Amino acid sequence: RKEVEQDPGPFNVPEGATVAFNCTYSNSASQSFFWYRQDCRKEPKLLMSVYSSGNEDGRFTAQLNRASQYISLLIRDSKLSDSATYLCVVNPNAGNNRKLIWGLGTSLAVNP
Amino acid sequence: DVKVTQSSRYLVKRTGEKVFLECVQDMDHENMFWYRQDPGLGLRLIYFSYDVKMKEKGDIPEGYSVSREKKERFSLILESASTNQTSMYLCASSAGIHEQYFGPGTRLTVT
Repeated sequence: RKEVEQDPGPFNVPEGATVAFNCTYSNSASQSFFWYRQDCRKEPKLLMSVYSSGNEDGRFTAQLNRASQYISLLIRDSKLSDSATYLCVVNPNAGNNRKLIWGLGTSLAVNP
Repeated sequence: DVKVTQSSRYLVKRTGEKVFLECVQDMDHENMFWYRQDPGLGLRLIYFSYDVKMKEKGDIPEGYSVSREKKERFSLILESASTNQTSMYLCASSAGIHEQYFGPGTRLTVT
């Protein structure tokens, strides 16, 4: 089993749709979690950190389910500019983030 | 805003050449990282450094070395470039347990 697994997609959705991605991780002791966004041929950029209580930032909501070992990202009211690859990232270490585990990403295309 | 800069956006080198990729961050972060990213393989960690002159191997260190003489600067060295090192190289920095911030990347082609 891969350490971090994501459905590669692509997810093709119309503007205004709600879309959700899940990401599963294998190390139950993992400490912190992130969602990054990566546009084509650009660097990854932090979208959200994922807290145990879940967190929301505008149209984006991240949830953590430790019992089932997955994190999710929900995007409401999708915009064309949301088209990107979304990377799930897991930090298995307490006290530092020296070796993050990166998923391969989920590709999202928002269509007019 | 955190700023991470990389010395080149695009680089073309010949097989056997020595290649230097430089990365500079301006946020006094103690941790710095070098990754490569290839289609279907995702981000793979080459080396990281958690302090000046300190370095640790990542998952794919073979064929690479690094140097960190100053806190803000982390260099990746390809001693003798090979075609299988053609890739996108991404530098990142972070403080403690917090998120990593990336530079714009260097697309290296080895011919």
